Amino acid sequence: KQEVTQIPAALSVPEGENLVLNCSFTDSAIYNLQWFRQDPGKGLTSLLLIQSSQREQTSGRLNASLDKSSGRSTLYIAASQPGDSATYLCAVDSTGNQFYFGTGTSLTVIP
Amino acid sequence: DVKVTQSSRYLVKRTGEKVFLECVQDMDHENMFWYRQDPGLGLRLIYFSYDVKMKEKGDIPEGYSVSREKKERFSLILESASTNQTSMYLCASSVPRRSYEQYFGPGTRLTVT
Repeated sequence: KQEVTQIPAALSVPEGENLVLNCSFTDSAIYNLQWFRQDPGKGLTSLLLIQSSQREQTSGRLNASLDKSSGRSTLYIAASQPGDSATYLCAVDSTGNQFYFGTGTSLTVIP
Repeated sequence: DVKVTQSSRYLVKRTGEKVFLECVQDMDHENMFWYRQDPGLGLRLIYFSYDVKMKEKGDIPEGYSVSREKKERFSLILESASTNQTSMYLCASSVPRRSYEQYFGPGTRLTVT
């Protein structure tokens, strides 16, 4: 069974700093990897989806990379803002029908 | 925009009650999913459905059942609610053969007393 780990569990940075969130997975045979954002008490908002044939995806200040051979993905956030404060979740799809989620990184951006 | 809606944001039920959680998506997606989310455990898949009247067990199906009579609607049923089913329940949908990107509803916070 796929296992997904996110480190660190929590991160606090000053506004304007660039930061990297990490996600690792145990089985490199994946269909895709998806990054989500979750605000307290809310559902998940999709940020970026990287298919297995891709190495990275970009959306605005966000850039996600995928290295299947090493079982790792990173989410890079440029010029962080207080509005970026949320929990960021990584999910890996190994079967085409089931995602396995990490427990998330809780990000706080201090004004 | 894809829209996934869930029938309730907050729900309080008593032990032993039968509980229905409803999820509706408006983008004609074939796949639909039910997860529960608990602190320290992350999201865990309860059931998913890849077509009307089709269902597959996820990692934690015990104590739950599902129903998919129409493509847009996927229901999660707690036959006899127990306190250990107190959790956040999240519904999602996706389109197979097209990236499988998942879209989530706002969640239902269920408390069983």
